Amino acid sequence: FELTQTLSVSVALGQTARITCGGNTIGSKNVHWYQQKPGQAPVVVMYRDINRPSGIPERFSGSNSGNTATLTITKAQAGDEADYYCQVWDSTTAIFGGGTKLTVL
Amino acid sequence: QVQLVQSGAEVKKPGASVKVACKASGYSFINYYIHWVRQAPGQGLEWMGTFNPSGGSTNYAHKFQGRVTMTSDTSTSTVYMELSSLRSEDTALFYCVRSREPYGDFIYWGQGTLVTVST
Repeated sequence: FELTQTLSVSVALGQTARITCGGNTIGSKNVHWYQQKPGQAPVVVMYRDINRPSGIPERFSGSNSGNTATLTITKAQAGDEADYYCQVWDSTTAIFGGGTKLTVL
Repeated sequence: QVQLVQSGAEVKKPGASVKVACKASGYSFINYYIHWVRQAPGQGLEWMGTFNPSGGSTNYAHKFQGRVTMTSDTSTSTVYMELSSLRSEDTALFYCVRSREPYGDFIYWGQGTLVTVST
């Protein structure tokens, strides 16, 4: 099972960024999203498709259907600039997407 | 609060083995799986395997089978990951991670242990 992410996404300050994660019938799996800033360990920003951990702004939301899961960041801020990874479990094997670098212009 | 504290950086020669420790605290150690995730310099995240502290069962990624061993010392709430037959491509940051549920999201991360493989 493979997950495909766009290498990079750019968004203007204050606008909406959408980061996608493609996989065959990914809609049937639980997708988790991680944010990783330079020199730091990843942090989960969305789990089981649509659940936001405590401390993650409401500007972050998730969806998952068909062959694509999406992490949406509204009103993008400079602090959102980071690498984002999607992740699923294929039975007992964890699969990560290749990561998307989000640049806030 | 939940903490995963990993052992310090290592420098190894090709062909050697490395053993990384991950000491857990702030929760019931045997109730949550620990996973290991690798990140080569400038690269993405790669799952290496899962360890169940309750009973010691393991599930390794196919890529690492035969080279990785995960164990624990329940008396100190520490999980170990040993990688053998090291090569230069194994140079990476190794993270231990606790999931929210057995096959859930990776909610708690250690600080990472840099392993450098070099002659």
